[in-house]
Amino acid sequence: NAGVMQNPRHLVRRRGQEARLRCSPMKGHSHVYWYRQLPEEGLKFMVYLQKENIIDESGMPKERFSAEFPKEGPSILRIQQVVRGDSAAYFCASSPTTAYNEKLFFGSGTQLSVL
Amino acid sequence: EDQVTQSPEALRLQEGESSSLNCSYTVSGLRGLFWYRQDPGKGPEFLFTLYSAGEEKEKERLKATLTKKESFLHITAPKPEDSATYLCAVHPQGGSEKLVFGKGTKLTVNP
Repeated sequence: NAGVMQNPRHLVRRRGQEARLRCSPMKGHSHVYWYRQLPEEGLKFMVYLQKENIIDESGMPKERFSAEFPKEGPSILRIQQVVRGDSAAYFCASSPTTAYNEKLFFGSGTQLSVL
Repeated sequence: EDQVTQSPEALRLQEGESSSLNCSYTVSGLRGLFWYRQDPGKGPEFLFTLYSAGEEKEKERLKATLTKKESFLHITAPKPEDSATYLCAVHPQGGSEKLVFGKGTKLTVNP
């Protein structure tokens, strides 16, 4: 049973380009969460999605960031017009039900570097 | 504002030298407190969930305890393979499913 799969592992973008981060949850999991980890900082919640629905995006910057979890395929975190401050590790996690009732399973993350 | 503070930031132990990591939290209401282990270049790996003051959980050399204000992760007779960053997170009441994480304690166990 494969774990949470994230790709790419490393992504390099120049300022102003777009970054697309992909996350395939564990089989049978319909809840996906995205977290961001800045250097020397703790993990920060960004967004919580269920299939075809954004449930909580309170941690997501209002500009340039968007997320989706379509009926088919992986969840996508999209960052438009990236800036140097977007450089961070982005982690996806999944659970079969809500975070309160089940532990979260994390992927290995995507390290985004903005030049 | 919900807040989690972990101490110390870094801890070096000799193999077999027991110690404890601290997680202090401030939340309007606690639905659960989580401990995770994170190895370099990897995502956090779940260790424990604690729900109420007085609760304890154990796994191999690790034991987690919870009070109304803080949690401790006790490491008994650690081995070098226990070296990692240990993260504490709280799930506040309020309807959101987000976890609030501390910055972690980086543990190094020397042979």
